[in-house]
Amino acid sequence: NAGVTQTPKFRILKIGQSMTLQCTQDMNHNYMYWYRQDPGMGLKLIYYSVGAGITDKGEVPNGYNVSRSTTEDFPLRLELAAPSQTSVYFCASSRQGAEDSNQPQHFGDGTRLSIL
Amino acid sequence: AQTVTQSQPEMSVQEAETVTLSCTYDTSENNYYLFWYKQPPSRQMILVIRQEAYKQQNATENRFSVNFQKAAKSFSLKISDSQLGDTAMYFCAFIPDSGTYKYIFGTGTRLKVLA
Repeated sequence: NAGVTQTPKFRILKIGQSMTLQCTQDMNHNYMYWYRQDPGMGLKLIYYSVGAGITDKGEVPNGYNVSRSTTEDFPLRLELAAPSQTSVYFCASSRQGAEDSNQPQHFGDGTRLSIL
Repeated sequence: AQTVTQSQPEMSVQEAETVTLSCTYDTSENNYYLFWYKQPPSRQMILVIRQEAYKQQNATENRFSVNFQKAAKSFSLKISDSQLGDTAMYFCAFIPDSGTYKYIFGTGTRLKVLA
């Protein structure tokens, strides 16, 4: 059981380039999340999705886009990379519902992204 | 606004000793859930323990236990018999039981277990 898989693990981008961070989960979780973690800081929510075809903004969505065409995949796209987006990005999923609010999140191993 | 505060940026403890990490939160919700996550140098986020706000009994998982004080909005983590492998960042997290499904994380406490 792979859980949550993120690719790539590391990436260096030049300012203005674009890229997509991939995230897939094999646990049939309906909720998926993208966070960024800046050095020495906690997690900040970028976007989340409560199911295929549904996405919503989190705390820091500017400069990012997401899509959720399937239950398994939740890619995060950076259109015009900026140095402020240098961070570690975590994807997470959880089995949520009205009766399952206490379910923990399962995290991927993270993607370390540097914008130079 | 709902917030989670971890007031101890760094802590250290001798191997085999006990250490307590603090977490306070602010919410107007009556039902919610609290979690402690561990992030070792490998960067993985690992669930340590969770607590339902409607349960008065403190959660326990082996060497890890919590002291949940609902009135004080406090959720501290106690690690007994600390081991070198406990060295990590520890994050407190909160999610209300109101259908928002957005977790709120604290800024973390870096724990170092000394040999």
